[in-house]
Amino acid sequence: DGGITQSPKYLFRKEGQNVTLSCEQNLNHDAMYWYRQDPGQGLRLIYYSQIVNDFQKGDIAEGYSVSREKKESFPLTVTSAQKNPTAFYLCASSINAAEAGVEQYFGPGTRLTVT
Amino acid sequence: AQSVAQPEDQVNVAEGNPLTVKCTYSVSGNPYLFWYVQYPNRGLQFLLKYITGDNLVKGSYGFEAEFNKSQTSFHLKKPSALVSDSALYFCAVRVFTGGGNKLTFGTGTQLKVEL
Repeated sequence: DGGITQSPKYLFRKEGQNVTLSCEQNLNHDAMYWYRQDPGQGLRLIYYSQIVNDFQKGDIAEGYSVSREKKESFPLTVTSAQKNPTAFYLCASSINAAEAGVEQYFGPGTRLTVT
Repeated sequence: AQSVAQPEDQVNVAEGNPLTVKCTYSVSGNPYLFWYVQYPNRGLQFLLKYITGDNLVKGSYGFEAEFNKSQTSFHLKKPSALVSDSALYFCAVRVFTGGGNKLTFGTGTQLKVEL
């Protein structure tokens, strides 16, 4: 099966702990993205990566970190500095980030709950 | 700033009736517009996109969208709604940042199709 996998589906953490969300794709896409979804707010971009070993901040990067050491993988770490981390996190990829008309493909998401 | 707006939080329609989910955009330059659908606790699925050419774009599952430049709109339509179409629908616009292409999403419209 080709696609994007995110694990785990549900994740629970205590406040003050860092947590890493996994995102893997076997679509051979160059670009990968992380979004946060909150009710009534749509999707907001956290970080994106156009190519291995390169990434840029999105609109709400504070309190998050990423790495892109392999083309297939783009893990997101939610740090203790993120003030309101409870949300649904979506990973996406696209064939590249340079072409304007390419669509993004999404993983199934990870629901993070921090108490 | 480039953005999209979805003026309706929820749309209700009877099965078999036509449906419309509204989207308006604000961009500088040529718009690149997308529609996605999200089922509960799932990732987003790509439906269709407008890049250039015909104003009526056909997509997956019988959906289509009409691009109207004068009204800056990109409304999603389907001639005959199904109960299984009930989901959350997002409109998105491509934003070119110089660091690559990003998508900016609307806040979503919940579609409810009733028997």
